[in-house]
Amino acid sequence: EVQLLESGGGLVQPGGSLRLSCAASGFSFSTYGMSWVRQAPGKGLEWVSAITGSGDKTWHADSVTGRFTTSRDNSKNTVYLQMNNLRAEDTALYYCAKETTPIIVITQFDYWGQGTPVTVSS
Amino acid sequence: QSALTQPASVSGSPGQSITISCTGTSNDLGAYNYVSWYQQHPGKAPKLLIYEVSNRPSGVPDRFSGSKSGNTASLTISGLQAEDEAHYYCNSYTTTNIKFGGGTKLTVL
Repeated sequence: EVQLLESGGGLVQPGGSLRLSCAASGFSFSTYGMSWVRQAPGKGLEWVSAITGSGDKTWHADSVTGRFTTSRDNSKNTVYLQMNNLRAEDTALYYCAKETTPIIVITQFDYWGQGTPVTVSS
Repeated sequence: QSALTQPASVSGSPGQSITISCTGTSNDLGAYNYVSWYQQHPGKAPKLLIYEVSNRPSGVPDRFSGSKSGNTASLTISGLQAEDEAHYYCNSYTTTNIKFGGGTKLTVL
């Protein structure tokens, strides 16, 4: 059974940093690209970032480029989202999601975690 | 502003059919057949309903179907049921600035 478990969310002041983790199980982790998707309270889904299965390539939304970094450790079946210089508008529930198709990143997600909440406030 | 445009809300009665549209451009939805649809109930994670325009993952009822014409994709739900009341989001692969649709609230009357 595929499982994705996010952690690392919390309350942080503007300008602060957080690192989110997503621990995966139940599939060949290194074969699949992964993405982070966030959802602000009462709002829709916003794609944040993606990373290839090998971790050699990443993509980030314009809204987080230069502040967020995505990485993975395939030995630990975990993908990370390092968030720096956080802003109030980064407040959201952050989901990690698994690509439907191995090897390629095409932003289609067949499994999602339950999310970890991030609140940016002074 | 969402790159993919969806109606904010749709409604239908049990047993009826509804269609939710998702309009993009020739650079995203019109260029690729990697269109996906997600259902989200309140307080829950999104669930994949349709991928690659019209494919259903195992376990998704065949009441849910997807299609695409030009720069517009559509999700059709036939035989509406009360449990279909939820938000629905589309997404299309593109090489830059990937975005979801703004979401459509489906109300089952």
